Amino acid sequence: RKEVEQDPGPFNVPEGATVAFNCTYSNSASQSFFWYRQDCRKEPKLLMSVYSSGNEDGRFTAQLNRASQYISLLIRDSKLSDSATYLCVVAQRANNLFFGTGTRLTVIP
Amino acid sequence: DAGVTQSPTHLIKTRGQQVTLRCSPKSGHDTVSWYQQALGQGPQFIFQYYEEEERQRGNFPDRFSGHQFPNYSSELNVNALLLGDSALYLCASSTHSGGKSYNEQFFGPGTRLTVL
Repeated sequence: RKEVEQDPGPFNVPEGATVAFNCTYSNSASQSFFWYRQDCRKEPKLLMSVYSSGNEDGRFTAQLNRASQYISLLIRDSKLSDSATYLCVVAQRANNLFFGTGTRLTVIP
Repeated sequence: DAGVTQSPTHLIKTRGQQVTLRCSPKSGHDTVSWYQQALGQGPQFIFQYYEEEERQRGNFPDRFSGHQFPNYSSELNVNALLLGDSALYLCASSTHSGGKSYNEQFFGPGTRLTVL
């Protein structure tokens, strides 16, 4: 079983739409959780960390459910510049990252 | 302050050859991790170096080896290249956490390796 599972998409949404991505992780010992963004042919960049209490950064909201080992990312009022691949990432104490396959988002004018 | 740098940016090799990829960490970072990202997949952890030693390793064969130098820079070596080794190889640097917490990893732009 993969450490991190996420729907690869693609998600094609109009500008201004709200879109949600989900992922699940298999190792209950996972301690840190993130969403990374990766533009085409570029390196992954940290979008936001995910905390049990839920956290928000502008139009982006992340949620973590440790009981069901589930992570989500909500993007409100989608912009063209949000088009990218969104990677769900977990880290155990050992500090190596486990990435999901990534969900590709295209925001359409 | 330079971020993580990698060289070369692109590389083409043939099956059976050997390749060396290089990474310089972000200033102030002492730990380097390497990841392989195949097309359409997320990055997969290869190994991590700290204090010039391999500290952790993912599920990769012994053909993949590495080295860390006293200045914290690192090399990834792949021997007996296979077609399936074609991928983007990413280096990430961080400060050592001692296994107690997670310290953010910053990624370099990657080296795109094509094996023919």
